[in-house]
Amino acid sequence: RKEVEQDPGPFNVPEGATVAFNCTYSNSASQSFFWYRQDCRKEPKLLMSVYSSGNEDGRFTAQLNRASQYISLLIRDSKLSDSATYLCVVMGYNTNAGKSTFGDGTTLTVKP
Amino acid sequence: DAMVIQNPRYQVTQFGKPVTLSCSQTLNHNVMYWYQQKSSQAPKLLFHYYDKDFNNEADTPDNFQSRRPNTSFCFLDIRSPGLGDAAMYLCATSRGTGEGGYTFGSGTRLTVV
Repeated sequence: RKEVEQDPGPFNVPEGATVAFNCTYSNSASQSFFWYRQDCRKEPKLLMSVYSSGNEDGRFTAQLNRASQYISLLIRDSKLSDSATYLCVVMGYNTNAGKSTFGDGTTLTVKP
Repeated sequence: DAMVIQNPRYQVTQFGKPVTLSCSQTLNHNVMYWYQQKSSQAPKLLFHYYDKDFNNEADTPDNFQSRRPNTSFCFLDIRSPGLGDAAMYLCATSRGTGEGGYTFGSGTRLTVV
């Protein structure tokens, strides 16, 4: 079983739709959680950190459920420009620096 | 703008010919990472430097080495590239333990011929 698992998709949605991605992780000692966005053939870019209390940034809402060991990302009112791969990242601290484990990503295509 | 810069963006090397990829940062972050990413896969951590302390991942092949001569620069050396080493190589930085997330460079896409 992978340490971080995501539904690879692809998710194909029309503009304006609401779409949700889930990600599960296996290491209960994980301490920090993130969503990154990666456009085709580009580098990952930090989208948002994820907290137990939930956090929202405009149309994006992220949530962490420690008991069930999953994180989620909700995108409301999807735009064409949201088309990308979304990477779930889980970080532990068993070394002097945080060690991040990436999911394989979920691909989103928003269509007109 | 403060950033992470990788050179070159595209690198073609011959099978078995040593190649060096470079990364520089103006963020003054003390941790620098090298990731390998193949198509449709997650980035895979090769190693990282916490200041001058080198940390190698257990499954990183010996063919991959790294140098960090100062805070700003980090190099990835591939001693004898094989066809399976063709990938995007991503450099990332973070402050301290990385709680604020990583900043990635734009990557170097390596082709082995």
